Amino acid sequence: AQTVTQSQPEMSVQEAETVTLSCTYDTSESDYYLFWYKQPPSRQMILVIRQEAYKQQNATENRFSVNFQKAAKSFSLKISDSQLGDAAMYFCAYRWGRGAQKLVFGQGTRLTINP
Amino acid sequence: NAGVTQTPKFQVLKTGQSMTLQCAQDMNHEYMSWYRQDPGMGLRLIHYSVGAGITDQGEVPNGYNVSRSTTEDFPLRLLSAAPSQTSVYFCASSFGQGASDEQFFGPGTRLTVL
Repeated sequence: AQTVTQSQPEMSVQEAETVTLSCTYDTSESDYYLFWYKQPPSRQMILVIRQEAYKQQNATENRFSVNFQKAAKSFSLKISDSQLGDAAMYFCAYRWGRGAQKLVFGQGTRLTINP
Repeated sequence: NAGVTQTPKFQVLKTGQSMTLQCAQDMNHEYMSWYRQDPGMGLRLIHYSVGAGITDQGEVPNGYNVSRSTTEDFPLRLLSAAPSQTSVYFCASSFGQGASDEQFFGPGTRLTVL
């Protein structure tokens, strides 16, 4: 079975600085997708960024970028120029490439932004 | 579009009571799912549906039933609530199963079983 592990329960960063959240996963599949979701105190799940496993280029969305290391099964999220609004729980998630949309989530990392 | 809506937002039940969590989407999405989120854990898949009339079990299906009679609605039923079902429940939907088919989540229902 696929598993996703986030080893950092909590992280903090100074406003305007850069922070990296870690995620590792375990799968025997070659075709899959990886995601980072943000969950602010409102509980709403917000997609931050996605990565297709077959793409070697790391995904980037504005201040958010990933470091995808397929051989190491690692998928970290880098947030540049951290803003107060980035404070939230961040979840790493995996989805098998074929079949229905079934996400497997990590345990989450609570990110605090210090002003 | 309202997106994915869930009702109620909060619910308290006694052990043994039954109830239905409602989920609806107005985006004509084929795929719908139910997840539960427990403290200190990520979301776990309960049941999912790939279209009207088709449902299947996820990672933690015990104690829950689902049906999908229309494309828009995907209710989750608790037949006999147990304290272990205290959780936050999220419904999600997506148009398809491709890489670009983002899952849209509802706002969640916080359920407490006493």
